[in-house]
Amino acid sequence: DQQVKQNSPSLSVQEGRISILNCDYTNSMFDYFLWYKKYPAEGPTFLISISSIKDKNEDGRFTVFLNKSAKHLSLHIVPSQPGDSAVYFCAASEDAGNNRKLIWGLGTSLAVNP
Amino acid sequence: KAGVTQTPRYLIKTRGQQVTLSCSPISGHRSVSWYQQTPGQGLQFLFEYFSETQRNKGNFPGRFSGRQFSNSRSEMNVSTLELGDSALYLCASSVGRINSPLHFGNGTRLTVT
Repeated sequence: DQQVKQNSPSLSVQEGRISILNCDYTNSMFDYFLWYKKYPAEGPTFLISISSIKDKNEDGRFTVFLNKSAKHLSLHIVPSQPGDSAVYFCAASEDAGNNRKLIWGLGTSLAVNP
Repeated sequence: KAGVTQTPRYLIKTRGQQVTLSCSPISGHRSVSWYQQTPGQGLQFLFEYFSETQRNKGNFPGRFSGRQFSNSRSEMNVSTLELGDSALYLCASSVGRINSPLHFGNGTRLTVT
């Protein structure tokens, strides 16, 4: 049973427009969320994170929004660039003492067209 | 600063064999985690080592094991390989604090025939 779901396997946007990647979760105990980006033949790289005590975190062109009541988070990329074309993974974790582990979504493949 | 290094990059084994994968973390990182990535299952957590001790474990059978050395380098071993073990195995290191970001290597692509 997928506790973290990325329901859109792929997304295509035009360069300069906004990319919105969505992620839903089922475990209300998750209190920390992260987004990673993955290029082919490389490992994922950390992009941005958000704690459950916040509803927004911004880093340059990347903003993550968290809606706890809906158990939903989204990653906004503005403006989108061709170099942003990659697979984006959403991950979540809960506080279980020292035993934190990340639960990952299956990823959304983003294509930014010039 | 050098990134996370995984060796080998590619490996082909036959069913029933065993395999050892290696991971060198970023200098100063004491936590090493291992993940299995397959197209249908995404990234599945295998285990985490911190200061040579297994700190956390996922839901994989005992055929999957690991260890960490005093220099934080880690190895993962899979015994009695099955076809379903074919996957990309990713290692990630971090400083080990709660919620510290993971830094991934480029993975080892294991094919079991």
